[in-house]
Amino acid sequence: ILNVEQSPQSLHVQEGDSTNFTCSFPSSNFYALHWYRWETAKSPEALFVMTLNGDEKKKGRISATLNTKEGYSYLYIKGSQPEDSATYLCAYDNYGQNFVFGPGTRLSVLP
Amino acid sequence: NAGVMQNPRHLVRRRGQEARLRCSPMKGHSHVYWYRQLPEEGLKFMVYLQKENIIDESGMPKERFSAEFPKEGPSILRIQQVVRGDSAAYFCASSQGSSGANVLTFGAGSRLTVL
Repeated sequence: ILNVEQSPQSLHVQEGDSTNFTCSFPSSNFYALHWYRWETAKSPEALFVMTLNGDEKKKGRISATLNTKEGYSYLYIKGSQPEDSATYLCAYDNYGQNFVFGPGTRLSVLP
Repeated sequence: NAGVMQNPRHLVRRRGQEARLRCSPMKGHSHVYWYRQLPEEGLKFMVYLQKENIIDESGMPKERFSAEFPKEGPSILRIQQVVRGDSAAYFCASSQGSSGANVLTFGAGSRLTVL
């Protein structure tokens, strides 16, 4: 059974703070890792697709890094805003067969 | 440019009835994934289909659950003889291909309540 873990489970930060959270996944036979952002009452939306060890992706104030050898990815948010409040999910591509999602990190940004 | 369409958005069934959830993938997408979100839990993979084929159903319960993605029409997740434990949100996602570089586009979900 594939295990994709995320930490912390939830996080409360003040507006303007920078924050980061972790996704860990099996390091053998890596294929791809996705990050999704899931706002309450909406559908998950793709943030990043990461395929190569050392990948760094950036979209505005959000960025992600990937270490396939040790099996982890970090998501960073710089200068958090209330609209960043959401659950952030990582998904491990299981050999093109399916995507295994982590349990998510629930971020609350307090104004 | 409609995204992934799921219906119904909300479905109420009594124990023992059947539930049918539909998913129309995004235009140009031929790969469909079904996920279940139980209360206070994350997304759990159920089944992955391409047109007329089930590619991976390792997450499907062995009994009462089935899925199809016919040549014409939406993908359907069917739950027979529903029980209270089936109450959950069921999300469908589609992608262009099976490569890990292809992002998933999610529907809004179908929330099933079993009385």
